[in-house]
Amino acid sequence: AQTVTQSQPEMSVQEAETVTLSCTYDTSENNYYLFWYKQPPSRQMILVIRQEAYKQQNATENRFSVNFQKAAKSFSLKISDSQLGDTAMYFCAFMTGTNDYKLSFGAGTTVTVRA
Amino acid sequence: EAQVTQNPRYLITVTGKKLTVTCSQNMNHEYMSWYRQDPGLGLRQIYYSMNVEVTDKGDVPEGYKVSRKEKRNFPLILESPSPNQTSLYFCASGTYRAGGELFFGEGSRLTVL
Repeated sequence: AQTVTQSQPEMSVQEAETVTLSCTYDTSENNYYLFWYKQPPSRQMILVIRQEAYKQQNATENRFSVNFQKAAKSFSLKISDSQLGDTAMYFCAFMTGTNDYKLSFGAGTTVTVRA
Repeated sequence: EAQVTQNPRYLITVTGKKLTVTCSQNMNHEYMSWYRQDPGLGLRQIYYSMNVEVTDKGDVPEGYKVSRKEKRNFPLILESPSPNQTSLYFCASGTYRAGGELFFGEGSRLTVL
């Protein structure tokens, strides 16, 4: 079974600053996928970024980037130039590379962006 | 518009009163799944379906039932709800692509008194 750990329940950041959210996971698989989902107060689950384990290059989506360390089983999310609309809960999630589409989620990190 | 639609969005009920949370997707996805979200636990999978008439248990299936009679619909049934099923529920769907994105509904907040 895969486990996903987010050790930071809450984080606060000043608008325009950078914040990094940590995520570690445990798996015996070699092929898998990692995701960060954003859940704003509206409760909608929004995919922020996706990383394929067989790709060494870190994924980037505009102001969002990841630091994927496969050997350390670490997958942190960096939000640059934080905006008020980034205030949300962020979930790290894991999916195996087999025909199993289950997402295993961490407990989440609540990010508050201060004006 | 491509979407996953859940109903009801909010429900307060009493212990033992059967209820159904509906889920419908208009993207012709084969795969559908139900999750529950609880504070400090993230989202946990309840049941999933790989296609019509094919369903299987997730990590926390106790107290729930599902059915998949049509490709677009995947209702979640609580035959005899209990207070420990008070939670936020999400339906999700996706295509058969390794590492493919799951699309989530807007969530259903259920309170069992």
